[in-house]
Amino acid sequence: EPEVTQTPSHQVTQMGQEVILRCVPISNHLYFYWYRQILGQKVEFLVSFYNNEISEKSEIFDDQFSVERPDGSNFTLKIRSTKLEDSAMYFCASSRTGGAWSETQYFGPGTRLLVL
Amino acid sequence: GQQVMQIPQYQHVQEGEDFTTYCNSSTTLSNIQWYKQRPGGHPVFLIQLVKSGEVKKQKRLTFQFGEAKKNSSLHITATQTTDVGTYFCPSSGYALNFGKGTSLLVTP
Repeated sequence: EPEVTQTPSHQVTQMGQEVILRCVPISNHLYFYWYRQILGQKVEFLVSFYNNEISEKSEIFDDQFSVERPDGSNFTLKIRSTKLEDSAMYFCASSRTGGAWSETQYFGPGTRLLVL
Repeated sequence: GQQVMQIPQYQHVQEGEDFTTYCNSSTTLSNIQWYKQRPGGHPVFLIQLVKSGEVKKQKRLTFQFGEAKKNSSLHITATQTTDVGTYFCPSSGYALNFGKGTSLLVTP
């Protein structure tokens, strides 16, 4: 069964450094998402991406964050200058369709980011 | 997006007991999805309900969608330790709004 993959599984970085989290969505999916989950808290939506542009973003997704689909398979989340509070599990998800009628989203295993 | 409330927030059962979690919306839902997240894991899609009054079963799990499409429930018969995790019925729009879900603890 196709699945979403994410790399790396764990990332430790120093405050102020840039990090890039990578995801390979399911191949025939058109919508891509990033969520994060701070330890012990709920899963929070960051951004959705469709047709090579951001379709929606939350207030968490500020100018420090950016997303890109650099080629036909990868979907990346970049944090330009990490802060301590960026420490969280970051989940990538994809769906066949999206928008107001929410298609099932398939989540990757996550990247645990620790900012020191 | 639509707001969905879920109860209870926590449930602790003995293995073999049944478990039910409920989701309620003040507005009519177009569909409802259920996800499970194991401790340390990622959300995993369980099922989607679309039709009024729909009932779907997956082994020991029974999912119902209310006649008015404003509420839904997940019932687990004879819980096992593998059922441990948090169950979500995220409200949906352009993205999934997970809320706190119901955390189920099953002790042997």
